Amino acid sequence: GDSVTQMEGPVTLSEEAFLTINCTYTATGYPSLFWYVQYPGEGLQLLLKATKADDKGSNKGFEATYRKETTSFHLEKGSVQVSDSAVYFCALSDRTGGSYIPTFGRGTSLIVHP
Amino acid sequence: DTAVSQTPKYLVTQMGNDKSIKCEQNLGHDTMYWYKQDSKKFLKIMFSYNNKELIINETVPNRFSPKSPDKAHLNLHINSLELGDSAVYFCASSKTNYGYTFGSGTRLTVV
Repeated sequence: GDSVTQMEGPVTLSEEAFLTINCTYTATGYPSLFWYVQYPGEGLQLLLKATKADDKGSNKGFEATYRKETTSFHLEKGSVQVSDSAVYFCALSDRTGGSYIPTFGRGTSLIVHP
Repeated sequence: DTAVSQTPKYLVTQMGNDKSIKCEQNLGHDTMYWYKQDSKKFLKIMFSYNNKELIINETVPNRFSPKSPDKAHLNLHINSLELGDSAVYFCASSKTNYGYTFGSGTRLTVV
């Protein structure tokens, strides 16, 4: 079956540091890829997405590129802020039997210190 | 206007009780989901309904029963609650493959 593997956290950075959160996937079809963010006490929010190979999703300074050859979708940000502290989930959505089935990674906690 | 709304936000109840969590979406999405998030933030899909039909029914105890009266609603009923059911439950909806919109969660505590 489909699966998503994320680097384990927590990732602890100082403000303005460069962020990378690794994500790799396995899928039987040609999935769409997503990053979601969950702030404390809230639900998940869609951060960015990519639907085909070499697409780059971007939002709020975050970006990720769909790499089919390495089955990866790593999340990057050039300069993190304290307000970026949250849990980040990589996810894929694959079509199975006529329906899109979502699969989430286990989440990576990011802590940014001033 | 809240896109996906769940009620209640917090639910504290005793073991053995029966409880329901309600979910409504006003986005016109055709698929709705229930997820369980444990204390380590792991998200596990429980059920999915597409146009009121059950399409995903993962391995969850049969004490959990989803009900979808129409496309905009997917409720979760839990019988004979156990301590291990304590978690945050999220409702979500989607339209084809455009991404998922989540509710703010229901924190269930069984004592």
